[in-house]
Amino acid sequence: SQTIHQWPATLVQPVGSPLSLECTVEGTSNPNLYWYRQAAGRGLQLLFYSVGIGQISSEVPQNLSASRPQDRQFILSSKKLLLSDSGFYLCAWSVWGSTEAFFGQGTRLTVV
Amino acid sequence: GESVGLHLPTLSVQEGDNSIINCAYSNSASDYFIWYKQESGKGPQFIIDIRSNMDKRQGQRVTVLLNKTVKHLSLQIAATQPGDSAVYFCAENTRQNFVFGPGTRLSVLP
Repeated sequence: SQTIHQWPATLVQPVGSPLSLECTVEGTSNPNLYWYRQAAGRGLQLLFYSVGIGQISSEVPQNLSASRPQDRQFILSSKKLLLSDSGFYLCAWSVWGSTEAFFGQGTRLTVV
Repeated sequence: GESVGLHLPTLSVQEGDNSIINCAYSNSASDYFIWYKQESGKGPQFIIDIRSNMDKRQGQRVTVLLNKTVKHLSLQIAATQPGDSAVYFCAENTRQNFVFGPGTRLSVLP
C-alpha cells in the first residue's frame, strides 16, 4: 500500500533561519508531488508541484523553494525564513489521471 | 487568478439532520470537482469527486451536485454525525493540479 511521510510534525524557527521540510512517498512510482500551505483558519494554497525528478513548478512567488532529488522525495526549503512563512505545510501525492490527492499529516511551522 | 471559493465559512448542524455545504468555482475548464474533509491537525482526506460532465454523484451518506450553469458545487451529508465535524474543502482538478477553496467548518451539535 502507498504511504506518505512528512516531517517534522511541528517546528519553531527564528526569523532569518533556514528551513528544510522533507516528504517521501512509498509504494508508488513517478507520483505527482505537491506542497501546500494552509494559514490558520484558511484554505490550502498550492506552492509547488512536481511531475518528475528535477521538475518543479511554482505557483506563487515567495520566499520558498522546492526540490525533487529522487522520484519519491520532495523537499521544501528556505534560505531565510520570514514571519509570514508561518503556517501548516502539507505534502501530497497523486498519480496521473487520478482525481484523488493523498496528503501527509502536515508540518506546523511557527517562525518567531 | 481563477479560484474555487465557498459561500459559508461555518455551518452548525444538529446531529441527525442533513448538511449542505456549498462551493462556487470560476474555472469552467476543470475536469473534476472534488470534496475533501480535514480533521483538526491532519491532512485533508478525499470524500467524493464528480466529473465535469455529470450533475450528480452519490456515495455513502454523501451526495455531490454540480450545476455548471451557475458554477456551483454542493456536498450533502445525510444524517450528520459527530464524526462529520471537520473542515470541508471543495477543489478542482485541472491538468493534474488541485486548486482548493477556502473551506467550510462543519460543527455537529448534540
